[in-house]
Amino acid sequence: GAVVSQHPSRVICKSGTSVKIECRSLDFQATTMFWYRQFPKQSLMLMATSNEGSKATYEQGVEKDKFLINHASLTLSTLTVTSAHPEDSSFYICSARRGGGRGYEQYFGPGTRLTVT
Amino acid sequence: AQKVTQAQTEISVVEKEDVTLDCVYETRDTTYYLFWYKQPPSGELVFLIRRNSFDEQNEISGRYSWNFQKSTSSFNFTITASQVVDSAVYFCALSEAGNQGGKLIFGQGTELSVKP
Repeated sequence: GAVVSQHPSRVICKSGTSVKIECRSLDFQATTMFWYRQFPKQSLMLMATSNEGSKATYEQGVEKDKFLINHASLTLSTLTVTSAHPEDSSFYICSARRGGGRGYEQYFGPGTRLTVT
Repeated sequence: AQKVTQAQTEISVVEKEDVTLDCVYETRDTTYYLFWYKQPPSGELVFLIRRNSFDEQNEISGRYSWNFQKSTSSFNFTITASQVVDSAVYFCALSEAGNQGGKLIFGQGTELSVKP
């Protein structure tokens, strides 16, 4: 099956710093990528939809200036958490939607666990 | 508005028991997709099944089976003869077609614990 990678898998950063998370589709071109956030013992919540070559669409309540998303190519989307605070500590998961005639299949990355101290 | 409800927060069974995880959804679309994912402790989501709204046939895959009933807006998941390795959090999700295509709305998840 299709493979999506995320890097890093774990990151610890200090409060006030920024951290970048990469999401790559390894064996297909992803016209659309999604970023989800999952707090402990909770469900996945969509943060934003990222389309290659255009601005991301953010869900209500998600600060676009804090969570910068760049989908610069058909295989890479990045999420940058700017001026991170402890409340941003969470599990961030990306997914990539395969373009073409495969309907709405999307493939999830393994997730990135962010801890802000 | 779209919504997915998994009323069972936690389920605990003994190995070899059958267990059903419930999922009820809400949508105004006539075309939509339903999914089940497994999330083991590692955190990585494992895709289990995708079903479109026009296909109400039940599906069986090994010890897993799914019952899709549009009349009750339910998409329940049954594990037969459960095993310890089935212990995980299971999410039901909904995706609508059209402009919102691909965006997944997840239920709250059901944590399944299978004890030996």
